[in-house]
Amino acid sequence: DTGVSQDPRHKITKRGQNVTFRCDPISEHNRLYWYRQTLGQGPEFLTYFQNEAQLEKSRLLSDRFSAERPKGSFSTLEIQRTEQGDSAMYLCASSLARGHGTDTQYFGPGTRLTVL
Amino acid sequence: AQTVTQSQPEMSVQEAETVTLSCTYDTSESDYYLFWYKQPPSRQMILVIRQEAYKQQNATENRFSVNFQKAAKSFSLKISDSQLGDAAMYFCAPGRGAQKLVFGQGTRLTINP
Repeated sequence: DTGVSQDPRHKITKRGQNVTFRCDPISEHNRLYWYRQTLGQGPEFLTYFQNEAQLEKSRLLSDRFSAERPKGSFSTLEIQRTEQGDSAMYLCASSLARGHGTDTQYFGPGTRLTVL
Repeated sequence: AQTVTQSQPEMSVQEAETVTLSCTYDTSESDYYLFWYKQPPSRQMILVIRQEAYKQQNATENRFSVNFQKAAKSFSLKISDSQLGDAAMYFCAPGRGAQKLVFGQGTRLTINP
């Protein structure tokens, strides 16, 4: 039983470059979440999908950020024209909707982005 | 909007002792859930315990238990018989339905051998 996986684990890029991260949720989990965590802080919500539909986006998600989940399985998060302020850990989580109530989110190991 | 306050940035405890981490939150929701996650130095977030707000009984998972005071909007985590492997950042997070979790600032727990 594999957990949530994320790739790459680390990414170093120069300011202005585009980067793309991938998240593979636990199989059969229909909800997928992206969070951003800066050093010393708790994670902050970015966006979430139910199957392939993106149902909520945070105001933190500027126009330079885009997320997709084309077939309701893996998801990608792209950041265009990266800025130094984008340096953070990007966490992915998945859960299985069980109708009423909050399903438990299971987190991946994260992708650490450093923008030089 | 939900807000979460973890007033103890750092805590330390002797191995085998008991420690309590505090969390208060503010929400206008009537039906919600509360979670404690730990994030060890390897940084993968791991679920510790969850509590359904409609349940009066406090949740327990082995050495971990909560003290849930709904009226006071307080949700503390008690760790009994602390072990070296309990050292981590601990985050409190309320959530509802399919919505995002809102995390507190975290409490860094150190276990002294």
